Amino acid sequence: DVVMTQSPLSLPVTLGQPASISCKSSQSLVHSDGNIYLNWFQQRPGQSPRRLIYKVSNRDSGVPDRFSGSGSGTDFTLKISRVEAEDVGVYFCLQVLHWPWTFGQGTTVEIK
Amino acid sequence: EVQMVESGGGLVQPGGSLRLSCAASGFTFNIYWMSWVRQAPGKGLEWLANINQDGSEKYYVDSVKGRFTISRDNAKNSLYLQMNNLGAEDTAVYYCAIADRGPIGNWGQGTLVTVSS
Repeated sequence: DVVMTQSPLSLPVTLGQPASISCKSSQSLVHSDGNIYLNWFQQRPGQSPRRLIYKVSNRDSGVPDRFSGSGSGTDFTLKISRVEAEDVGVYFCLQVLHWPWTFGQGTTVEIK
Repeated sequence: EVQMVESGGGLVQPGGSLRLSCAASGFTFNIYWMSWVRQAPGKGLEWLANINQDGSEKYYVDSVKGRFTISRDNAKNSLYLQMNNLGAEDTAVYYCAIADRGPIGNWGQGTLVTVSS
């Protein structure tokens, strides 16, 4: 199975400051169709997960533009340009190329 | 508005069975692959199973293969997960999700399954 490794696992951030989460996959996530199948999810406390980003850098409908995704091959990054209080929660990366689809361990974002 | 509502969770004894349902609305259900995903209490996420549009293709993670069966009824816009031979390790919140690699990737709110005597 493809192993997804996130870092850091805990990320204290000051309101209004940027935050960055890394996700590395044990295999390439590049499909023969040219797409890279890496998604990012947010799970706020007490809520179900919500997809933020699909195919590395495409924001889902309604996702604020302070969230951005980048990366290629096996190394990926989720960035929050200016953290707001509502961004507190756990962030997961998910590869959807190789079966079984696999998640990273999760990164907890908290306010300092 | 895209919506998925799971039901059927509850308390079940070890070795028992349970059938989860997911009622979908707000999108054309029969053109999407669908999935079940779970999250054990305080733990990470595990993608369990995918089913294609007409139910002819199914994929399972090894931890549930042979015990869980994913199915769908397109006439009812519904997704199901039959779970047999349940163990304590299956205690989790179970989510229904659209298994789309593109613009639609919604999840339901989840249903809790507790396996305990």
